Amino acid sequence: EDQVTQSPEALRLQEGESSSLNCSYTVSGLRGLFWYRQDPGKGPEFLFTLYSAGEEKEKERLKATLTKKESFLHITAPKPEDSATYLCAVQSYASGGSYIPTFGRGTSLIVHP
Amino acid sequence: EADIYQTPRYLVIGTGKKITLECSQTMGHDKMYWYQQDPGMELHLIHYSYGVNSTEKGDLSSESTVSRIRTEHFPLTLESARPSHTSQYLCASSSDRNYGYTFGSGTRLTVV
Repeated sequence: EDQVTQSPEALRLQEGESSSLNCSYTVSGLRGLFWYRQDPGKGPEFLFTLYSAGEEKEKERLKATLTKKESFLHITAPKPEDSATYLCAVQSYASGGSYIPTFGRGTSLIVHP
Repeated sequence: EADIYQTPRYLVIGTGKKITLECSQTMGHDKMYWYQQDPGMELHLIHYSYGVNSTEKGDLSSESTVSRIRTEHFPLTLESARPSHTSQYLCASSSDRNYGYTFGSGTRLTVV
């Protein structure tokens, strides 16, 4: 059974204070790893897909990296508008033809001005 | 601007009532999904569809049904609402099973 663990559960940063969010996973063959951002009262917003170890993706102040065991979402010089819950999901070959991903519980990020 | 729409945004309903949560998308995506999300918890898959007249059950499907008569429309029906159904329901779609999902804003359901 695929497992996804995100840490920390909550993170408070000062504006400009860079940090990283972690997504550790256990799967039977990784097909893809997804990062989403979710604002309160809204659905998740897709950010990145990573497919293989060593791959990196960037968008504004966010950079996602992938190893064989975990993914990091690096936030450089965050701003208050980066405050949100960040979700990680993994898609494995064990899901067969369904391709259904397993989601983590998310990391709640608050950036103070 | 959202390309996937869920209605209603909020719903308070009595126990035993039948309810249908609506989901429509304008992107022409074949793949559509229903998830349940409680605060601080993982998204749990309820049902999904990979095309018209094709639906599959997820982990939480036993108390609900879906239909996919048109590509753009994927409603979720609870035949008899219970307080345990109180939750946030999210609809999503994708153009390919390998791609990330586009989510709607959700329906917050409260069963009293």
